[in-house]
Amino acid sequence: EIVLTQSPGTLSLSPGERATLSCRASQSVTSSFLAWYQQKPGQAPRLLIYGASYRANGIPDRFSGSGSGTHFTLTISRLEPEDFAVYYCQQYDSSLLTFGGGTKVEIK
Amino acid sequence: QMHLQESGPGLVKPSETLSLRCTVSGGPISSSSYYWGWIRQPPGKGLEWIGSIYYSGSTHYKPSLKSRVTISVDTSNNQFSLKLTSVTAADTAVYYCARLGTGYYLVFDHWGQGTRVIVSS
Repeated sequence: EIVLTQSPGTLSLSPGERATLSCRASQSVTSSFLAWYQQKPGQAPRLLIYGASYRANGIPDRFSGSGSGTHFTLTISRLEPEDFAVYYCQQYDSSLLTFGGGTKVEIK
Repeated sequence: QMHLQESGPGLVKPSETLSLRCTVSGGPISSSSYYWGWIRQPPGKGLEWIGSIYYSGSTHYKPSLKSRVTISVDTSNNQFSLKLTSVTAADTAVYYCARLGTGYYLVFDHWGQGTRVIVSS
């Protein structure tokens, strides 16, 4: 089972700043099978990015994903007030799925 | 518009079986383009995939839960279900059902609102 480790655990930033979130895998992940989700308190997660770099429907272009192999990154170019939330990466490999532990982006 | 709704008891006693149902509307569960999955989130913690099912009944489970989990599908009622046996306090969580794509789109793109299950006597 592939383990995903997200860092940092918490990111304290101000609106307008750039956020860079990391997701590292215990073994190589096919880029096609790496996704990012956003979760706000009391809500279900929302798909942001699939295939490592493709934005899901309706996701603003300030969200971008990149990476390959064992290191993937989610970047939020300029934080809006509604972007403060928890972000999870997720991978699929050999019929098994795993999520990272999450990164909380909080207002500084 | 795709919509998923979880239902089931909010309180389960230790050692008993947790049973939840997910009702899908806005599209057929028998679509060849999707799997259907269960994910849970213990209080204050991250997301954990439990398992997924295809409309044909083919299933995949998280290895550490496999001995206790059964996911089934009811295409006639557009529903799929989760059974988790021998529950303990560690199974207390919000349980989500979600739609999972296939092929190169193996992501959860539609989620239910989640249902909170507490394991307690």
